Amino acid sequence: NAGVTQTPKFQVLKTGQSMTLQCAQDMNHEYMSWYRQDPGMGLRLIHYSVGAGITDQGEVPNGYNVSRSTTEDFPLRLLSAAPSQTSVYFCASSRRLDTGELFFGEGSRLTVL
Amino acid sequence: AQSVTQLDSHVSVSEGTPVLLRCNYSSSYSPSLFWYVQHPNKGLQLLLKYTSAATLVKGINGFEAEFKKSETSFHLTKPSAHMSDAAEYFCVVSDSGSARQLTFGSGTQLTVLP
Repeated sequence: NAGVTQTPKFQVLKTGQSMTLQCAQDMNHEYMSWYRQDPGMGLRLIHYSVGAGITDQGEVPNGYNVSRSTTEDFPLRLLSAAPSQTSVYFCASSRRLDTGELFFGEGSRLTVL
Repeated sequence: AQSVTQLDSHVSVSEGTPVLLRCNYSSSYSPSLFWYVQHPNKGLQLLLKYTSAATLVKGINGFEAEFKKSETSFHLTKPSAHMSDAAEYFCVVSDSGSARQLTFGSGTQLTVLP
């Protein structure tokens, strides 16, 4: 039972570089999402998807891009990294949109220098 | 608009003593409420949820929470702390019950002393 798998677990970037955080789930969940976690701020929603080919913006989408070509995969792209994007990123999935029962990956810690 | 406030950023208890983590919420509707736990270097895991059924909700690992509408609270309790309970706990509210409209609290770090 892999659940939600995120890669890489750690990454260091220089300002202006681009990269992709990978997320895959093997539970056939409709809903997938990306959050960032910053100290003392809880989790904030970046982007989400309610199915293959359908994505939308969350609370803090600027500087990030997503796509969902398959049910299983939901990569997050940083287009031009900035120090403000230093954070821990979590991918989460759910069977359906209308439930708050999320399954989380173990996180990707990103540092932008 | 929905919001959630976790009243303590850090709580320390001795092993075997009760745990109380406090959460107050604000919601325009009948909310859905959740508690998630995050162990070090791990993702969040659902502990329990309230969705307008019984006001006392039982979760995993002996945790429970009581929905009190008059006090707009959803405090998390456990009768006897275990060392493995040391983690960060997040209270979460949703007006709509939708996964895309969850508001997370800022978290409470629970330390369990031997």
